[in-house]
Amino acid sequence: GDSVTQMEGPVTLSEEAFLTINCTYTATGYPSLFWYVQYPGEGLQLLLKATKADDKGSNKGFEATYRKETTSFHLEKGSVQVSDSAVYFCALSRTSYDKVIFGPGTSLSVIP
Amino acid sequence: GAGVSQSPRYKVAKRGQDVALRCDPISGHVSLFWYQQALGQGPEFLTYFQNEAQLDKSGLPSDRFFAERPEGSVSTLKIQRTQQEDSAVYLCASSSRGTAGTEAFFGQGTRLTVV
Repeated sequence: GDSVTQMEGPVTLSEEAFLTINCTYTATGYPSLFWYVQYPGEGLQLLLKATKADDKGSNKGFEATYRKETTSFHLEKGSVQVSDSAVYFCALSRTSYDKVIFGPGTSLSVIP
Repeated sequence: GAGVSQSPRYKVAKRGQDVALRCDPISGHVSLFWYQQALGQGPEFLTYFQNEAQLDKSGLPSDRFFAERPEGSVSTLKIQRTQQEDSAVYLCASSSRGTAGTEAFFGQGTRLTVV
């Protein structure tokens, strides 16, 4: 069945460091890919998405490119801030309907 | 409403008790999903409604779990004879269309603790 794998955390970075969180997926067809973020005490929020191969999703300085050849959707940010501390979930949905399948999440802590 | 609303936010149940969790989706949203999120894990799909029709209940872990959305808006997830392994955060999400790439909006969840 469809699944999402992402790098295990927790990840701890200093402010202004470069961030990469790896994500790979297994799915039939051409799924849409997402990154959701869960800030402490808050609900899940969509961070960015890409709906077809080679699309780049971006938001709040975060980027991820849909790579069908490597079935990957790695999340990157050039300079993290303390306010980026959260749990990040990679996810996919198939074209049939939009049930979202989540990865296990990666916890990020950014220290001043 | 402005967002997906879930109630109660916290529920403590004694083992064997029945519970009912409520979800108010964003007005006009056709699709509604329930997820279960165990501590330190990603959300796991439970069930999906398109309007009042339950189109997928493949994620419900046992026949103790039951969901309904009788008028195509508010939904209730019911858990009968709760067990300790049911302790988790239950998330509800809604989206406007049944097509891929549509953003799902999540509520803050109901944290269920079974003691």
